[in-house]
Amino acid sequence: DTEVTQTPKHLVMGMTNKKSLKCEQHMGHRAMYWYKQKAKKPPELMFVYSYEKLSINESVPSRFSPECPNSSLLNLHLHALQPEDSALYLCASSQGAQGDRTDTQYFGPGTRLTVL
Amino acid sequence: AQTVTQSQPEMSVQEAETVTLSCTYDTSESDYYLFWYKQPPSRQMILVIRQEAYKQQNATENRFSVNFQKAAKSFSLKISDSQLGDAAMYFCAYRSAFRGSNYKLTFGKGTLLTVNP
Repeated sequence: DTEVTQTPKHLVMGMTNKKSLKCEQHMGHRAMYWYKQKAKKPPELMFVYSYEKLSINESVPSRFSPECPNSSLLNLHLHALQPEDSALYLCASSQGAQGDRTDTQYFGPGTRLTVL
Repeated sequence: AQTVTQSQPEMSVQEAETVTLSCTYDTSESDYYLFWYKQPPSRQMILVIRQEAYKQQNATENRFSVNFQKAAKSFSLKISDSQLGDAAMYFCAYRSAFRGSNYKLTFGKGTLLTVNP
């Protein structure tokens, strides 16, 4: 089973709202990722968590705040977003074992975010 | 830094025919992985196939196969007996096998495949 789930599927928020995106996997993976994807563009990496610790932050604005409460769950907290933050937000996970050469990322279905 | 180039922004194929999507990459590393991901209109990125650079044999997954030319840094995807469900954006991706790379994926810009009935 290579299932990564994301909720909600769609989210519309105002620039003053606070909302959260949720990602979950039950494959025992220890690495989890957030990507942002604009229409007809490849995904852009935002954050990587490895063993529940933030290992990569690709210079993402502080209005995006990731959180990894446990090895199965990844959240992305959103606050004071801009209209240009409207995009598809994808979560992915991989085994992430140290030195695992075969590490392969599996993606969730995404959350379509619209910022008004 | 590694780069991945997909030179065909759009391709089309007739149902039941064969189509090949191109991907080239640039790297100074000798040990890496290459992937093809498919993203249909439903948005979910689905892993299609994976190739390990140190393996000479081309990877295959049912109707999907790759032509991996390491010296030429080319990694094309062949879809045989195309089906309507194959219509999607296809992304080629590179990942270093070097542990210090944090196993980040580098994506190409994608090829939009249309399948005509």
